[in-house]
Amino acid sequence: NAGVTQTPKFRVLKTGQSMTLLCAQDMNHEYMYWYRQDPGMGLRLIHYSVGEGTTAKGEVPDGYNVSRLKKQNFLLGLESAAPSQTSVYFCASSSTGDPGRYEQYFGPGTRLTVT
Amino acid sequence: GNSVTQMEGPVTLSEEAFLTINCTYTATGYPSLFWYVQYPGEGLQLLLKATKADDKGSNKGFEATYRKETTSFHLEKGSVQVSDSAVYFCALRNNQGGKLIFGQGTELSVKP
Repeated sequence: NAGVTQTPKFRVLKTGQSMTLLCAQDMNHEYMYWYRQDPGMGLRLIHYSVGEGTTAKGEVPDGYNVSRLKKQNFLLGLESAAPSQTSVYFCASSSTGDPGRYEQYFGPGTRLTVT
Repeated sequence: GNSVTQMEGPVTLSEEAFLTINCTYTATGYPSLFWYVQYPGEGLQLLLKATKADDKGSNKGFEATYRKETTSFHLEKGSVQVSDSAVYFCALRNNQGGKLIFGQGTELSVKP
């Protein structure tokens, strides 16, 4: 059982380049999330999805786009990378279900550097 | 709005010392509370959780009690090990189906 996987693990971009980060989960979860982690700021939610074909903005959505064409995949795109987007990106997924059983499962992260 | 505040790190302890990492929250209604742990180079893993007031979550020797009167969910462990060195995140979720709100994380370093 792979859980949540992310591709790639590391990437270096030049300012203005574009890229897509792929997240895949094999737990049949409805909800998926993209976070960024920066020193001293915890995790901040970029975008999320409550089901196939749906996306919604989180706390820091500017400069990013997402798509959820298949239930198991959640893509995060950077159309024109900026140095401020240098960060570690985490994908997570969760089921719906009752609060007592709620848990987000995280991928291993993608370390992105924009020069 | 909802928010979580954790004590600042890094926290450095000797092996077998007692650990407390403070977490307080602001939320409407009755949120669920979580502690996540991030080991070096890895993603976050759920450590423990509590879904209602006075609940105690526990796992791997760690525990935290949901205190509604003080809006706190402090993480404790009686005797830390070097392998507990990690970053610990407190988080809350509004039970009306809201998203997780994370604190800024507290880095723990345990020396032999």
